Amino acid sequence: TQLLEQSPQFLSIQEGENLTVYCNSSSVFSSLQWYRQEPGEGPVLLVTVVTGGEVKKLKRLTFQFGDARKDSSLHITAAQPGDTGLYLCAGDRGKLIFGQGTELSVKP
Amino acid sequence: EAGVVQSPRYKIIEKKQPVAFWCNPISGHNTLYWYLQNLGQGPELLIRYENEEAVDDSQLPKDRFSAERLKGVDSTLKIQPAELGDSAVYLCASSSSRGGGSTGELFFGEGSRLTVL
Repeated sequence: TQLLEQSPQFLSIQEGENLTVYCNSSSVFSSLQWYRQEPGEGPVLLVTVVTGGEVKKLKRLTFQFGDARKDSSLHITAAQPGDTGLYLCAGDRGKLIFGQGTELSVKP
Repeated sequence: EAGVVQSPRYKIIEKKQPVAFWCNPISGHNTLYWYLQNLGQGPELLIRYENEEAVDDSQLPKDRFSAERLKGVDSTLKIQPAELGDSAVYLCASSSSRGGGSTGELFFGEGSRLTVL
């Protein structure tokens, strides 16, 4: 049983489109991290959200932590080919538990 | 500042052979992790060290996997004997202690890709 469910698993879009990735759980987390991983590399932290309802923006990326701290979303506006990669959410319950990832492909 | 260094980057072996992976964490990071990642999936924790102590090895298949972190710095992950299903990327990560039971940012190495034939 996957503790953190990410959806969609795969996403292929055209440059300029908007998209949202979801990370859901029935468990409460003290915080939630989002990572991005490129082929042949390790994951790199994008953001950490800590407070229920918190919204953080990183250029064209908007991250939201659910009010109950059980879920999170990542919204990308006007996607670019450079956004291509594997997006991972990870919930903190004393140790990080990763979702299965969302493979994003942005075509020029 | 140097990042997490792993070696080898790639390893191809036949089943039943042994293999070892090495990790040098970021200087000053006392927490070290070994993760297993299958293609297109999220990392799965194998073992976590706080200094020299393995504080979470509940997901490590101890019949064939072993790990050590001598002197609380570098770490080695070993598989003996390897099976076909062990083909994956083995990621090492490190972090500095934050206290309060929370996990800070993990800094990952580039990973060691294992192929078992």
